[in-house]
Amino acid sequence: DVKVTQSSRYLVKRTGEKVFLECVQDMDHENMFWYRQDPGLGLRLIYFSYDVKMKEKGDIPEGYSVSREKKERFSLILESASTNQTSMYLCASGQGGTKETQYFGPGTRLLVL
Amino acid sequence: AQKITQTQPGMFVQEKEAVTLDCTYDTSDPSYGLFWYKQPSSGEMIFLIYQGSYDQQNATEGRYSLNFQKARKSANLVISASQLGDSAMYFCAMREPDITGTASKLTFGTGTRLQVTL
Repeated sequence: DVKVTQSSRYLVKRTGEKVFLECVQDMDHENMFWYRQDPGLGLRLIYFSYDVKMKEKGDIPEGYSVSREKKERFSLILESASTNQTSMYLCASGQGGTKETQYFGPGTRLLVL
Repeated sequence: AQKITQTQPGMFVQEKEAVTLDCTYDTSDPSYGLFWYKQPSSGEMIFLIYQGSYDQQNATEGRYSLNFQKARKSANLVISASQLGDSAMYFCAMREPDITGTASKLTFGTGTRLQVTL
């Protein structure tokens, strides 16, 4: 079974703090993704990575950065957390190809005070 | 414009009955893929079923089937013999080819909350 893990299920941070969300997958997948989920908006793509050290912006990259130093690990960084970044963050991985299926982690609920 | 539209914010179905969750999509690319995911209250997104735009037959996976009507650009999820454990949020998503040729991105709908009752 594909396993995608995220470092925290719940996180509370203060405005201005630097926040790291970690994601690890164990299936040797090429592609990894970070989404945020907000009520009524569905999931929106923040960043994705198709190889180590490679990254591309998604639909809402502002206020976020990412790091992929190893194939299995993809980190989302909030340089200076703001209250409008309070959300559910979901990481996913996929092998690529025309029928690529993305497999998701359990999510991190982040509250920024 | 919305690429994926799920018009039913919430649905109720009785246990053992079938239910259809609606999804329409918008794309001008002939090659695309459609996905359905389930999200229980625990938060994890669970992959259910996939339909490719060139697939001739509707996809099926156990109690899940996808009613794919290409001309109408709809990809409705049908759950047969509903169970209490089917209560969850359901998301429709579409993958279009990425212009850079790298990873394929998914665009999600806003979801439908299904409640299965006794």
